[in-house]
Amino acid sequence: DIQMTQSPSTLSASLGDRVTITCRASQSISRWLAWYQQKPGKAPKLLIQRASSLESGVPSRFSGSGSGTEFTLTISSLQSDDFATYYCQQYSYFSTFGPGTKVEIK
Amino acid sequence: EVLLVDSGGGLVQPGGSLRLSCAASGFTFTDYWMSWVRQSPGKGLEWVANIKQDGSQQFYVDSVRGRFSISRDNAKNSVYLHMNSLRAEDTAVYYCARDLRYESYIFGHWGQGTLVTVSA
Repeated sequence: DIQMTQSPSTLSASLGDRVTITCRASQSISRWLAWYQQKPGKAPKLLIQRASSLESGVPSRFSGSGSGTEFTLTISSLQSDDFATYYCQQYSYFSTFGPGTKVEIK
Repeated sequence: EVLLVDSGGGLVQPGGSLRLSCAASGFTFTDYWMSWVRQSPGKGLEWVANIKQDGSQQFYVDSVRGRFSISRDNAKNSVYLHMNSLRAEDTAVYYCARDLRYESYIFGHWGQGTLVTVSA
């Protein structure tokens, strides 16, 4: 099985901050990596697929990068709507999610 | 508009059974693989099972293989998760999810979730 880790587990930031979340896979997954945003009581929302392809309607302040085993999600200027939990997911071999990173208000 | 409506959750005793349903609308159901994904406080998000467009292939996470069964009724635009021999660790919110059109195991649309609680 492919294991996913994320860091940090919690991130405190202010409006306008640049935020970076790291995701690591236990083995190479090429670019088969997605990012989701989840708000309390809601289903996850797909933000990025294939490591860096933004889904339609997702603001351009979100970006993804990486390949192999290390990936990042960056929010260039944090907005109030961005306070949420973010999950990475590998889909190279079936599917595994990371444990999540909660972005909270500083 | 794509809509997935999950139902069927509830409280069940260990060893019991439950059937979850997902009613889909707003897209051509037979064009997509469909999945179930669950979320529990202890284990986070976990893909559970998926099923091919025509129902001819199904795949499962190891922890539910042999106990859960996924099926679909294309005439009713619905997908189901039949859960048997339920355990406490199966307690979670279960989401129906639609895979992307040309890629499986990545979920572009989700239902609202239905809570399954396994407890005596």
